[in-house]
Amino acid sequence: DTGVSQDPRHKITKRGQNVTFRCDPISEHNRLYWYRQTLGQGPEFLTYFQNEAQLEKSRLLSDRFSAERPKGSFSTLEIQRTEQGDSAMYLCASSFPRDDPRPNEQFFGPGTRLTVL
Amino acid sequence: AQTVTQSQPEMSVQEAETVTLSCTYDTSENNYYLFWYKQPPSRQMILVIRQEAYKQQNATENRFSVNFQKAAKSFSLKISDSQLGDTAMYFCAFMSYSGAGSYQLTFGKGTKLSVIP
Repeated sequence: DTGVSQDPRHKITKRGQNVTFRCDPISEHNRLYWYRQTLGQGPEFLTYFQNEAQLEKSRLLSDRFSAERPKGSFSTLEIQRTEQGDSAMYLCASSFPRDDPRPNEQFFGPGTRLTVL
Repeated sequence: AQTVTQSQPEMSVQEAETVTLSCTYDTSENNYYLFWYKQPPSRQMILVIRQEAYKQQNATENRFSVNFQKAAKSFSLKISDSQLGDTAMYFCAFMSYSGAGSYQLTFGKGTKLSVIP
């Protein structure tokens, strides 16, 4: 079991630049989540995919943020025109299908730490 | 909207001793899950223990156990025989079905636990 992977692990960018992060979930998982964690806080939900469909988005996900999950496998999260306030750890998590007997455990990746200068 | 409150930003415990981390939550729902996640320094978040709200029996996992008080909306974590490897941030999290298919997690701000040799 290879677990959830995220790339890159660290990203430093200048304000105004675009950045893209990638998440590879566990292969049997059809549900995928993005969270954002700022310093001293717990993770906050950003968006949710079931297979390739993006079914839910948080109000935290401004117009500058876009997420995709083509073919229902890996997912990308893009931030356009980055701002200093976007500096955070971006976490990806995946979980089994809803009818799976395993009760909704989300498996987290190591995260991508974004620093906007 | 659900909220999760962890009132202890930091705690410490002597190795081999027992420590209890507090968590309260607010919800109007009747069916939900509660979790404790552990986030070691610079490492990914892992699940420690889960509790289904419909189960009255408190969950246990080896040295970890919970005290779930549904009426009081309280969900504390007890760590027995604390080990140095237990040093981490601990997050309490709430999960319910959102209707859009999402089982998003709502996290508390975390408790930083230090185990002292």
